[in-house]
Amino acid sequence: GQQLNQSPQSMFIQEGEDVSMNCTSSSIFNTWLWYKQEPGEGPVLLIALYKAGELTSNGRLTAQFGITRKDSFLNISASIPSDVGIYFCAGRSNAGGTSYGKLTFGQGTILTVHP
Amino acid sequence: DGGITQSPKYLFRKEGQNVTLSCEQNLNHDAMYWYRQDPGQGLRLIYYSQIVNDFQKGDIAEGYSVSREKKESFPLTVTSAQKNPTAFYLCASSTGPEGHGYTFGSGTRLTVV
Repeated sequence: GQQLNQSPQSMFIQEGEDVSMNCTSSSIFNTWLWYKQEPGEGPVLLIALYKAGELTSNGRLTAQFGITRKDSFLNISASIPSDVGIYFCAGRSNAGGTSYGKLTFGQGTILTVHP
Repeated sequence: DGGITQSPKYLFRKEGQNVTLSCEQNLNHDAMYWYRQDPGQGLRLIYYSQIVNDFQKGDIAEGYSVSREKKESFPLTVTSAQKNPTAFYLCASSTGPEGHGYTFGSGTRLTVV
Protein backbone atom coordinates (compact mmCIF):
# COMPACT_ATOMS: atom_id res chain seq x y z
CA GLY A 1 0.00 0.00 0.00
CA GLN A 2 0.90 3.67 -0.06
CA GLN A 3 3.42 4.86 2.49
CA LEU A 4 4.56 8.28 3.62
CA ASN A 5 7.95 8.87 5.16
CA GLN A 6 7.95 11.96 7.35
CA SER A 7 11.13 13.46 8.76
CA PRO A 8 12.48 14.35 11.13
CA GLN A 9 10.68 12.30 13.77
CA SER A 10 11.32 14.97 16.39
CA MET A 11 12.89 18.40 16.71
CA PHE A 12 14.08 20.37 19.72
CA ILE A 13 14.61 24.04 18.88
CA GLN A 14 15.00 27.42 20.50
CA GLU A 15 12.29 30.04 20.25
CA GLY A 16 12.86 32.20 17.19
CA GLU A 17 14.46 29.48 15.06
CA ASP A 18 13.03 28.36 11.74
CA VAL A 19 11.76 24.79 11.31
CA SER A 20 11.63 22.55 8.26
CA MET A 21 10.04 19.14 7.89
CA ASN A 22 9.13 17.04 4.89
CA CYS A 23 7.27 14.02 3.62
CA THR A 24 8.09 11.72 0.77
CA SER A 25 5.89 9.12 -0.85
CA SER A 26 6.47 5.99 -2.88
CA SER A 27 3.56 6.97 -5.12
CA ILE A 28 1.96 10.06 -6.58
CA PHE A 29 -0.54 12.12 -4.61
CA ASN A 30 -2.99 14.68 -5.96
CA THR A 31 -3.49 16.48 -2.65
CA TRP A 32 -1.09 17.19 0.18
CA LEU A 33 -2.25 18.35 3.60
CA TRP A 34 -0.47 19.44 6.75
CA TYR A 35 -2.04 19.06 10.21
CA LYS A 36 -1.02 20.09 13.71
CA GLN A 37 -2.03 18.13 16.80
CA GLU A 38 -1.77 19.66 20.25
CA PRO A 39 -1.59 17.39 23.31
CA GLY A 40 -4.87 15.63 24.05
CA GLU A 41 -6.64 17.06 21.01
CA GLY A 42 -7.42 16.04 17.46
CA PRO A 43 -5.32 17.22 14.51
CA VAL A 44 -6.27 20.54 12.95
CA LEU A 45 -5.74 21.34 9.28
CA LEU A 46 -3.02 23.94 8.69
CA ILE A 47 -2.48 24.02 4.95
CA ALA A 48 -3.93 22.20 1.93
CA LEU A 49 -2.11 21.89 -1.40
CA TYR A 50 -3.78 20.80 -4.64
CA LYS A 51 -1.33 21.43 -7.49
CA ALA A 52 2.22 20.28 -8.17
CA GLY A 53 4.63 23.13 -7.46
CA GLU A 54 2.09 25.03 -5.38
CA LEU A 55 3.51 27.14 -2.56
CA THR A 56 1.03 28.26 0.10
CA SER A 57 1.45 30.30 3.27
CA ASN A 58 -0.61 30.55 6.42
CA GLY A 59 0.97 33.16 8.68
CA ARG A 60 4.41 31.93 9.66
CA LEU A 61 3.78 28.58 7.98
CA THR A 62 4.70 27.84 4.38
CA ALA A 63 4.12 24.54 2.60
CA GLN A 64 4.98 23.32 -0.88
CA PHE A 65 3.62 20.57 -3.11
CA GLY A 66 6.62 18.95 -4.74
CA ILE A 67 6.90 19.02 -8.53
CA THR A 68 7.21 15.23 -8.69
CA ARG A 69 3.94 15.00 -6.68
CA LYS A 70 5.73 12.57 -4.38
CA ASP A 71 6.81 15.00 -1.70
CA SER A 72 5.83 18.02 0.34
CA PHE A 73 7.57 20.42 2.70
CA LEU A 74 6.44 22.51 5.67
CA ASN A 75 8.42 25.41 7.02
CA ILE A 76 7.71 27.37 10.20
CA SER A 77 9.50 30.68 10.56
CA ALA A 78 10.43 32.38 13.83
CA SER A 79 9.05 29.62 16.05
CA ILE A 80 7.22 30.45 19.27
CA PRO A 81 6.36 28.22 22.26
CA SER A 82 2.77 27.67 21.08
CA ASP A 83 4.10 25.95 17.95
CA VAL A 84 4.70 22.90 20.13
CA GLY A 85 2.83 19.82 18.97
CA ILE A 86 2.88 16.98 16.48
CA TYR A 87 2.82 17.91 12.80
CA PHE A 88 1.40 15.38 10.35
CA CYS A 89 1.56 15.35 6.59
CA ALA A 90 -1.18 13.57 4.68
CA GLY A 91 -1.63 12.71 1.05
CA ARG A 92 -4.60 11.78 -1.07
CA SER A 93 -4.51 9.80 -4.30
CA ASN A 94 -7.21 9.87 -6.94
CA ALA A 95 -6.46 6.29 -7.92
CA GLY A 96 -9.48 4.03 -8.08
CA GLY A 97 -10.48 1.23 -5.75
CA THR A 98 -11.23 1.29 -2.05
CA SER A 99 -8.41 3.74 -1.37
CA TYR A 100 -10.11 6.43 -3.42
CA GLY A 101 -10.26 9.63 -1.43
CA LYS A 102 -8.77 8.16 1.72
CA LEU A 103 -5.87 10.04 3.26
CA THR A 104 -2.51 8.43 4.00
CA PHE A 105 -0.77 9.99 7.02
CA GLY A 106 2.89 10.38 7.82
CA GLN A 107 4.21 9.26 11.19
CA GLY A 108 4.37 12.83 12.51
CA THR A 109 7.10 15.24 13.60
CA ILE A 110 7.15 16.07 17.31
CA LEU A 111 8.17 19.70 17.74
CA THR A 112 9.48 21.07 21.03
CA VAL A 113 10.27 24.78 21.34
CA HIS A 114 12.40 25.99 24.22
CA PRO A 115 11.73 29.58 25.35
CA ASP B 1 -21.58 25.75 14.71
CA GLY B 2 -20.83 22.66 12.66
CA GLY B 3 -18.37 20.17 13.98
CA ILE B 4 -17.57 16.66 15.01
CA THR B 5 -18.08 15.55 18.60
CA GLN B 6 -16.51 12.61 20.36
CA SER B 7 -17.66 11.46 23.75
CA PRO B 8 -16.63 10.82 26.38
CA LYS B 9 -13.25 12.56 26.52
CA TYR B 10 -11.91 10.02 29.03
CA LEU B 11 -13.12 6.45 29.48
CA PHE B 12 -12.04 3.78 31.91
CA ARG B 13 -13.05 0.15 31.55
CA LYS B 14 -12.18 -3.16 33.11
CA GLU B 15 -10.37 -5.73 31.04
CA GLY B 16 -12.76 -8.04 29.21
CA GLN B 17 -15.57 -5.51 28.85
CA ASN B 18 -16.79 -4.14 25.55
CA VAL B 19 -16.96 -0.37 25.30
CA THR B 20 -18.51 1.93 22.71
CA LEU B 21 -17.06 5.30 21.72
CA SER B 22 -19.40 7.89 20.29
CA CYS B 23 -18.75 10.06 17.23
CA GLU B 24 -21.33 12.52 15.90
CA GLN B 25 -20.97 15.13 13.14
CA ASN B 26 -23.30 17.85 11.89
CA LEU B 27 -21.17 18.81 8.90
CA ASN B 28 -23.27 16.78 6.46
CA HIS B 29 -20.13 14.82 5.58
CA ASP B 30 -20.54 11.53 3.76
CA ALA B 31 -17.37 9.81 4.94
CA MET B 32 -16.31 9.04 8.51
CA TYR B 33 -13.18 7.42 9.94
CA TRP B 34 -11.79 5.98 13.15
CA TYR B 35 -8.10 6.15 14.02
CA ARG B 36 -6.06 4.85 16.90
CA GLN B 37 -3.06 6.77 18.22
CA ASP B 38 -0.55 5.38 20.71
CA PRO B 39 1.79 7.71 22.69
CA GLY B 40 4.22 9.50 20.40
CA GLN B 41 2.94 7.54 17.42
CA GLY B 42 1.14 8.29 14.19
CA LEU B 43 -2.45 7.58 13.23
CA ARG B 44 -3.55 4.07 12.39
CA LEU B 45 -6.82 3.53 10.56
CA ILE B 46 -9.31 1.18 12.24
CA TYR B 47 -12.48 1.47 10.13
CA TYR B 48 -13.99 3.90 7.68
CA SER B 49 -17.36 4.48 6.09
CA GLN B 50 -17.97 6.34 2.85
CA ILE B 51 -21.75 6.07 2.93
CA VAL B 52 -24.55 5.12 5.29
CA ASN B 53 -24.95 1.38 5.92
CA ASP B 54 -21.53 0.63 4.49
CA PHE B 55 -18.10 0.48 6.09
CA GLN B 56 -14.67 -0.95 5.38
CA LYS B 57 -11.88 -2.36 7.50
CA GLY B 58 -8.76 -0.28 7.90
CA ASP B 59 -5.27 -1.43 8.78
CA ILE B 60 -5.98 -2.56 12.37
CA ALA B 61 -9.66 -3.60 12.46
CA GLU B 62 -9.22 -6.76 14.56
CA GLY B 63 -10.98 -6.45 17.91
CA TYR B 64 -13.10 -3.49 16.81
CA SER B 65 -16.56 -3.12 15.29
CA VAL B 66 -18.54 -0.19 13.87
CA SER B 67 -21.96 0.67 12.53
CA ARG B 68 -23.20 3.45 10.25
CA GLU B 69 -26.97 3.54 10.55
CA LYS B 70 -27.16 7.32 10.26
CA LYS B 71 -25.10 9.78 8.26
CA GLU B 72 -24.31 11.77 11.40
CA SER B 73 -23.12 8.90 13.59
CA PHE B 74 -20.28 6.37 13.45
CA PRO B 75 -19.85 4.62 16.82
CA LEU B 76 -16.83 2.42 17.48
CA THR B 77 -17.02 -0.62 19.77
CA VAL B 78 -13.80 -1.85 21.32
CA THR B 79 -14.41 -5.51 22.07
CA SER B 80 -12.77 -7.81 24.58
CA ALA B 81 -10.95 -9.40 21.62
CA GLN B 82 -8.76 -6.30 21.25
CA LYS B 83 -5.51 -7.30 22.98
CA ASN B 84 -4.21 -3.86 23.85
CA PRO B 85 -7.11 -1.39 23.81
CA THR B 86 -5.60 1.42 25.88
CA ALA B 87 -5.02 4.28 23.43
CA PHE B 88 -6.23 7.64 22.15
CA TYR B 89 -9.05 7.24 19.63
CA LEU B 90 -9.78 9.85 16.98
CA CYS B 91 -12.84 10.14 14.79
CA ALA B 92 -12.82 12.16 11.57
CA SER B 93 -15.17 13.04 8.76
CA SER B 94 -14.87 14.37 5.24
CA THR B 95 -17.06 15.32 2.32
CA GLY B 96 -15.67 12.43 0.32
CA PRO B 97 -12.99 11.92 -2.31
CA GLU B 98 -12.76 15.54 -3.39
CA GLY B 99 -13.15 17.07 0.05
CA HIS B 100 -10.69 19.41 1.67
CA GLY B 101 -9.17 16.83 3.98
CA TYR B 102 -10.56 15.53 7.22
CA THR B 103 -12.16 17.28 10.18
CA PHE B 104 -11.16 15.56 13.40
CA GLY B 105 -12.92 15.27 16.72
CA SER B 106 -11.07 16.03 19.94
CA GLY B 107 -10.51 12.37 20.73
CA THR B 108 -11.37 9.84 23.44
CA ARG B 109 -8.68 8.49 25.70
CA LEU B 110 -9.55 4.92 26.64
CA THR B 111 -7.81 3.26 29.55
CA VAL B 112 -8.41 -0.39 30.28
CA VAL B 113 -7.42 -1.61 33.72
